[in-house]
Amino acid sequence: EVQLVESGGGLVQTGGSLRLSCAASGFTFSSYAMSWVRQAPGKGLEWVSALSTSGGTTYYADSVKGRFTISRDNSKNTLHLQMNSLRAEDTALYYCAKDQGNDSGFDYWGQGTLVTVSS
Amino acid sequence: SYVLTQPPSVSVAPGKTARITCGGNDIGSKSVHWYQQKPGQAPVLVIYYDADRPSGIPERFSGSNSGNTATLSISRVEAGDEADYYCQVWDSSSDQWVFGGGTKLTVL
Repeated sequence: EVQLVESGGGLVQTGGSLRLSCAASGFTFSSYAMSWVRQAPGKGLEWVSALSTSGGTTYYADSVKGRFTISRDNSKNTLHLQMNSLRAEDTALYYCAKDQGNDSGFDYWGQGTLVTVSS
Repeated sequence: SYVLTQPPSVSVAPGKTARITCGGNDIGSKSVHWYQQKPGQAPVLVIYYDADRPSGIPERFSGSNSGNTATLSISRVEAGDEADYYCQVWDSSSDQWVFGGGTKLTVL
C-alpha cells in the first residue's frame, strides 16, 4: 500500500524557516517524480514544487522561487521542502504528492502538514 | 503563466449528469487531469490524460478535452459525489504544474 506521510509543519514567524519532510513507502520511491502542493485555508490547490526521480531537476512555482528548495533522499525514501523567508501568504496545508509519470498527474497524496506563518 | 478557469460552483439533482468545465488557451493540446476533494480529505485523482480513469474510480466519471475547454462529466450523480473538483495541466512553456481554481459540486 502506498503511503505518504508529511511532517515538519508548525507555527513560524514571518521571515523564518521550516523544513518539511515526506516519508514514502509502498512503491519504488526512486522511480517517480514527486511534488509539493499547498492549500491555504478555505482556498484551492496550488502547486509549489516538483523534483525529478534523481533529484537533478527541480521546478518551482513563481510564488516560491528563490525561497523554497525541494530535495529528496532516495536512500531513505524521503522528500523534503526547505522553506525560507516565510510570508503570511505561505500559510497553508502542504501536501506531498506522487507523480504517476509522463505528466499524467498525481496518483497518491499524503494527508498534509500545516504551516502557519504569523506576523 | 498558463491560467485554468473553472466555474466556482455547479449544482445538480441526484441521478442527473453534472458537467464541470475547465477553460484554458488551446487546452485541447494539453493533457488534463481532474481531482476530487472532499472536506478534510486529500485530493483524489479521478481522471487523467483527459479521459482515463484510475482503478477504483466509477465509470460514471468521464472526461473530454477539445479546443479551449476540458470537461469532467459525472453521470447518475449521487450525494457522495458532492465535493470540490480541480483540473490540472502541465505547462511546458513555464515548466510548472497548474491547477484550476476549483469547482464546488452541490447535489441538490
